[in-house]
Amino acid sequence: TQLLEQSPQFLSIQEGENLTVYCNSSSVFSSLQWYRQEPGEGPVLLVTVVTGGEVKKLKRLTFQFGDARKDSSLHITAAQPGDTGLYLCAGARTNAGKSTFGDGTTLTVKP
Amino acid sequence: DAGVIQSPRHEVTEMGQEVTLRCKPISGHNSLFWYRQTMMRGLELLIYFNNNVPIDDSGMPEDRFSAKMPNASFSTLKIQPSEPRDSAVYFCASSLAGSGTDTQYFGPGTRLTVL
Repeated sequence: TQLLEQSPQFLSIQEGENLTVYCNSSSVFSSLQWYRQEPGEGPVLLVTVVTGGEVKKLKRLTFQFGDARKDSSLHITAAQPGDTGLYLCAGARTNAGKSTFGDGTTLTVKP
Repeated sequence: DAGVIQSPRHEVTEMGQEVTLRCKPISGHNSLFWYRQTMMRGLELLIYFNNNVPIDDSGMPEDRFSAKMPNASFSTLKIQPSEPRDSAVYFCASSLAGSGTDTQYFGPGTRLTVL
């Protein structure tokens, strides 16, 4: 079974602080996605990374795919209350047809 | 595109009743997924279809759960009979398999409460 472990499980910070969340696995993935889920809604895709070592930026969010394509990180600069939510990573293997989801990191940004 | 559409958004029923959840995937997508999300177990894959054919139903909890996809634009997840432990948020997601990234697009979910 491919497992994706996310850490930390919960994170509560003040507005303006920086943070990093991690997504780790012993398996190699052909692509990895990061989603954010707000209360009462479904997960919404933030980014997809496909190349080992790839770095993608989305405003204050920076995503990195590990060189070996087994892990990924999400860094948020100057967090805002609007960043509050559940962050999920999901890995896919070529021709697998389905993705493996991590358990998520619940982020709370206090004003 | 309207995105993935799920109905109903909320369902409250009594133990023993039949529950049917509905999903309309994004037009052109050929894979459809049903997930269940709870605080205790997180997001669990129940079953997924490719080109309307069930590919992996290993996540379906037990025989009380069944899913169908009669055509490319509609799927149902049925629970019969329902039990209180089935209370959860059920998500449907769709993707374009073979696109290289397997990105899944989620619906808003159905919050099921079984009393």
